[in-house]
Amino acid sequence: GAVVSQHPSRVICKSGTSVKIECRSLDFQATTMFWYRQFPKQSLMLMATSNEGSKATYEQGVEKDKFLINHASLTLSTLTVTSAHPEDSSFYICSASLVAGVSEQFFGPGTRLTVL
Amino acid sequence: AQTVTQSQPEMSVQEAETVTLSCTYDTSESDYYLFWYKQPPSRQMILVIRQEAYKQQNATENRFSVNFQKAAKSFSLKISDSQLGDAAMYFCAYSLSQGAQKLVFGQGTRLTINP
Repeated sequence: GAVVSQHPSRVICKSGTSVKIECRSLDFQATTMFWYRQFPKQSLMLMATSNEGSKATYEQGVEKDKFLINHASLTLSTLTVTSAHPEDSSFYICSASLVAGVSEQFFGPGTRLTVL
Repeated sequence: AQTVTQSQPEMSVQEAETVTLSCTYDTSESDYYLFWYKQPPSRQMILVIRQEAYKQQNATENRFSVNFQKAAKSFSLKISDSQLGDAAMYFCAYSLSQGAQKLVFGQGTRLTINP
């Protein structure tokens, strides 16, 4: 089946630093990747939609200068949390859609970010 | 904007029994997809079942089936012969049908299986 990986699975950083999270589709090409954020005991909230070779589309209320998204290839999207603060601590999940545009997303295992 | 509502924050069921999780949604579109995802303690999202809105027949995947009522905008999940491994958070989700579309999730229902 379609496999999506995320790296790192856990990261702890100091306030004010930047953190990069990678999302890779391992066995398929993904023209579109999505980034979600999940707070404890809550649902997934879409942050942005990332299309290969173009700028990401951010959801209302998500700061594009704080959450930088790059989708440089059909198998890799990155989320960089810039100048991280403790309130950015959360679980970040990416997903990827197949090139054919079938409405099914395959999810990565998530990254737990803790900002001290 | 589309919304998805799960009114049951928690549900529990005895092992081997049947449980139904509720989901309602709001949309003005006629063509869309509905999903049930499972999130176990590992937090890996797993697709349980998918329903295309244009199909009248309810989707079924082994012990999992849905009751899709398009006019009522209702999409419930029935789990038969519940197993301990079914314990998880269950999220109902909606997306438009064309191309790679974003998912709108409900609040989730935590399902506990009692041995």
